[in-house]
Amino acid sequence: DTAVSQTPKYLVTQMGNDKSIKCEQNLGHDTMYWYKQDSKKFLKIMFSYNNKELIINETVPNRFSPKSPDKAHLNLHINSLELGDSAVYFCASSQEIVNAEQYFGPGTRLTVT
Amino acid sequence: AQTVTQSQPEMSVQEAETVTLSCTYDTSESDYYLFWYKQPPSRQMILVIRQEAYKQQNATENRFSVNFQKAAKSFSLKISDSQLGDAAMYFCAYSSPFYGGATNKLIFGTGTLLAVQP
Repeated sequence: DTAVSQTPKYLVTQMGNDKSIKCEQNLGHDTMYWYKQDSKKFLKIMFSYNNKELIINETVPNRFSPKSPDKAHLNLHINSLELGDSAVYFCASSQEIVNAEQYFGPGTRLTVT
Repeated sequence: AQTVTQSQPEMSVQEAETVTLSCTYDTSESDYYLFWYKQPPSRQMILVIRQEAYKQQNATENRFSVNFQKAAKSFSLKISDSQLGDAAMYFCAYSSPFYGGATNKLIFGTGTLLAVQP
């Protein structure tokens, strides 16, 4: 069984569109994260949620809106997509917020044309 | 703010040989966690090894071991008996264990691309 899953794995869309990426974890973890990996492979935190509560919002444009309907899910909605949003987006989870051993999903490659 | 530096963008090793990947970090905290993650071409992020700063003993996981030098803020990864499947991008990462605020996140280095030659 996949521990952290993301859908879709690939997403190609045009500038100005709105899109969502879904993430689910079946590890029973309390904390979930979104990371962005740019074209130079640099990984940076975007958001983290603990028990459905937003903990970190790392200076991300407000076009990005995470939503956590329950502890096992953390979705990422992006409005008015821009070329610079093209990247790989990773979802991750950890058992506790203070134990930062994180387990990653397979990533979603977003291409904005 | 904490930073993580990986000064080797690319490394190469012969199969069955040993290679060491370097990582340095900057922090004013006394307690924290350090990690090495592996990202093969499949792009899946895989945890390789973890070190708690309060533990003096270096962590080991099979062929993977670390050399943790707290005073020097250095955290290198040694891969012994390198295998073709070890070829990947390796990321060093830092995390603070303290609850709340901007410290509860992984801060990554820029990565080292490891090639394994047959």
